[in-house]
Amino acid sequence: AQKVTQAQTEISVVEKEDVTLDCVYETRDTTYYLFWYKQPPSGELVFLIRRNSFDEQNEISGRYSWNFQKSTSSFNFTITASQVVDSAVYFCALSRGLNSGGSNYKLTFGKGTLLTVNP
Amino acid sequence: GAVVSQHPSRVICKSGTSVKIECRSLDFQATTMFWYRQFPKKSLMLMATSNEGSKATYEQGVEKDKFLINHASLTLSTLTVTSAHPEDSSFYICSARSPLAGRNQETQYFGPGTRLLVL
Repeated sequence: AQKVTQAQTEISVVEKEDVTLDCVYETRDTTYYLFWYKQPPSGELVFLIRRNSFDEQNEISGRYSWNFQKSTSSFNFTITASQVVDSAVYFCALSRGLNSGGSNYKLTFGKGTLLTVNP
Repeated sequence: GAVVSQHPSRVICKSGTSVKIECRSLDFQATTMFWYRQFPKKSLMLMATSNEGSKATYEQGVEKDKFLINHASLTLSTLTVTSAHPEDSSFYICSARSPLAGRNQETQYFGPGTRLLVL
């Protein structure tokens, strides 16, 4: 069975602070995909990043960066110099890879972390 | 690219009526779409996987006769909540698997969601 744990339910920071959102996953598959999505108050889920299990390179996109550590089964997300517009619920998700017999690409979501960036 | 729309964005109906929600992939064809339900301040719960031209696959505990899914074309999937009751009030979100997904490019793109309120 797959599981995604986002231990931080809510985080509150002041604008310009850096913030890291944690994500720990469990899977028995050798190949899998990890995702981060942003859900602003409007409700729409915005795709941020996908990471394949065989690619442990960290990634940076503007103020966003992701740290994938297979050894600790973690895929943490850092926002540098946070802004008020970053306020949202952030979801980490996991899906099985093709080589794992998976199937219909179902996503397993964590419970989400509510990030509030105060001015 | 990879834009998914949902209609309506918000619906209020009387108990006992049926409500149809449409999910469209606007700039790509999606053989697989997914329907999720989200309660306030909760994570997304996968309801069913919708495959074009075949019957939907429902998750355990989801009543297939209550939540009818039709995926008649490569760009449209519909979810019909039959004989809706107040407990069906929720935020319903669809997603579509991008056909650009090659072997290692699996990504789901989400619609903006539909808020259903049953009185």
